[in-house]
Amino acid sequence: QKEVEQNSGPLSVPEGAIASLNCTYSDRGSQSFFWYRQYSGKSPELIMSIYSNGDKEDGRFTAQLNKASQYVSLLIRDSQPSDSATYLCAVVPSGTYKYIFGTGTRLKVLA
Amino acid sequence: DAGVIQSPRHEVTEMGQEVTLRCKPISGHDYLFWYRQTMMRGLELLIYFNNNVPIDDSGMPEDRFSAKMPNASFSTLKIQPSEPRDSAVYFCASSGTGASYEQYFGPGTRLTVT
Repeated sequence: QKEVEQNSGPLSVPEGAIASLNCTYSDRGSQSFFWYRQYSGKSPELIMSIYSNGDKEDGRFTAQLNKASQYVSLLIRDSQPSDSATYLCAVVPSGTYKYIFGTGTRLKVLA
Repeated sequence: DAGVIQSPRHEVTEMGQEVTLRCKPISGHDYLFWYRQTMMRGLELLIYFNNNVPIDDSGMPEDRFSAKMPNASFSTLKIQPSEPRDSAVYFCASSGTGASYEQYFGPGTRLTVT
């Protein structure tokens, strides 16, 4: 079983719609969760971090965490073509400082 | 802040040659991470340091790979001898202490071994 799982996509949404990206993880003791955006040929860029159950909003981005169900999601409102990228979920398992990355979901926002 | 700096940005070398990748973390960060990214395997952690000390090198693929951090502002990842299957993008990232654990990535080094 993979430690962090994401649907590889591509997830296609029309411009202006809400894009919903999901991630599940296996270590129930994990405490820190991150979303990165990676454009083709570029390095991962941190866009959201979340540590507590519930929602965290930052501009058009909302991260949602449910530790009981072991999933974390990212919502992108009013999606723009410039949001087209691969989104990586990262989880920090208990007792460590290292990230475990998912394989990423490729998002395509259609103009 | 200049962010994480990596050099070179591109490296093309022949099989059997030694390759050295360099990284300067964000000033004040005391964790440094080396990753490798390929289409097949995604983003893999190779090794990470805390206060210049290697903490976990379980991701280093084999003895041909070695990493050092002689001081808080510099780290190297060396491959000797290099092989075509080492071709990948190598990222360095750094983070501070505390509850955030937020990692910031450098631009990466694209390595091609022919």
